[in-house]
Amino acid sequence: DAGVIQSPRHEVTEMGQEVTLRCKPISGHDYLFWYRQTMMRGLELLIYFNNNVPIDDSGMPEDRFSAKMPNASFSTLKIQPSEPRDSAVYFCASQGGTGNTIYFGEGSWLTVV
Amino acid sequence: GEDVEQSLFLSVREGDSSVINCTYTDSSSTYLYWYKQEPGAGLQLLTYIFSNMDMKQDQRLTVLLNKKDKHLSLRIADTQTGDSAIYFCAERSNQAGTALIFGKGTTLSVSS
Repeated sequence: DAGVIQSPRHEVTEMGQEVTLRCKPISGHDYLFWYRQTMMRGLELLIYFNNNVPIDDSGMPEDRFSAKMPNASFSTLKIQPSEPRDSAVYFCASQGGTGNTIYFGEGSWLTVV
Repeated sequence: GEDVEQSLFLSVREGDSSVINCTYTDSSSTYLYWYKQEPGAGLQLLTYIFSNMDMKQDQRLTVLLNKKDKHLSLRIADTQTGDSAIYFCAERSNQAGTALIFGKGTTLSVSS
């Protein structure tokens, strides 16, 4: 099992540019989560999907952030336009069924300059 | 709302035991987790405990749960330099589809 796969691992972009982060969950998992990690706020849940449907997006900071899951094996988190305060590590995680373990990807390290 | 609190730093000597503490507020929490994050890496699940358990042991790791006080601890016996990392406590309520709520993490520093 390859685990949760995220890309890019590292990205440096200029303020105002569009950023797209990608995630491939573990095959067969029906829950997918996007978290953001910063020094100040720790790990924050941004949004999660169940069977490709967004269930809770209350953690999405503002309209500049959007997430999609067009199929069971792929999700994107998009920031447009990006700002320096968006600099963080963005984690994708997946889970199979309820009550099971949530597995994390290695994270996408985003720097907006 | 739900909240998970941890102390931010812990420093120990190699060979000593480390105890990392966590408190949570959601009384409906049924699963409590400990994750480890090494520098530049993702989160690795260390262990978890169901709320109907008081203790769980797994090799050098011992998890203690005081449900009355909503207090969780992780004890690492014979701490090694390789244990240096950030340790996150997380809780999850028994509702279908709810995500994990994390504490801010405890940075464990092990000196030789």
